[in-house]
Amino acid sequence: EAQVTQNPRYLITVTGKKLTVTCSQNMNHEYMSWYRQDPGLGLRQIYYSMNVEVTDKGDVPEGYKVSRKEKRNFPLILESPSPNQTSLYFCASSLSGYEQFFGPGTRLTVL
Amino acid sequence: AQSVSQHNHHVILSEAASLELGCNYSYGGTVNLFWYVQYPGQHLQLLLKYFSGDPLVKGIKGFEAEFIKSKFSFNLRKPSVQWSDTAEYFCAASAPMFSGGYNKLIFGAGTRLAVHP
Repeated sequence: EAQVTQNPRYLITVTGKKLTVTCSQNMNHEYMSWYRQDPGLGLRQIYYSMNVEVTDKGDVPEGYKVSRKEKRNFPLILESPSPNQTSLYFCASSLSGYEQFFGPGTRLTVL
Repeated sequence: AQSVSQHNHHVILSEAASLELGCNYSYGGTVNLFWYVQYPGQHLQLLLKYFSGDPLVKGIKGFEAEFIKSKFSFNLRKPSVQWSDTAEYFCAASAPMFSGGYNKLIFGAGTRLAVHP
């Protein structure tokens, strides 16, 4: 089954404790993105990747890092999480950059 | 800056009522438009998309949307809603100039639809 998976689905952590949210897709897509969803703001792009080892900042990259060492994986790293990063995070992948397929989401709470 | 605006943040309807959710985008060139739906506790799913051709686009679950270039609009419609349509709906636009080559999706803020039996 074609899908985008994320782990963990729910995470509660404390300020400053490094964390990684994994994202994996099995569709051989070149494009992958991370979004955060906040009430009243819709989805905003954090980082995107056009291919292995090619990543770039989206609209709200501050406080986040990503890597793309393999085509299927695109982890999101929060080196020192802060409460303003409490949000719902979605990973997405796309063959062309147009239509994107979304993962199930990761609800992160930073205390 | 390029943007997508959704006019209604919350909509409450009774079953069988007709639905129209407004969406406007700010880019004047060639643009691809999407409506995504997010059911409670679930991830975003594509409802329909417009790339070119017939401006009236039909999607899944009886939804349709009309692209009106002169109005920069892509409104979502459904003639008769059901309780199961309760969800959040996001309009999104994608165009090359949004990020200098990569077709990034720009999302609207979303519209929460509640359908009462």
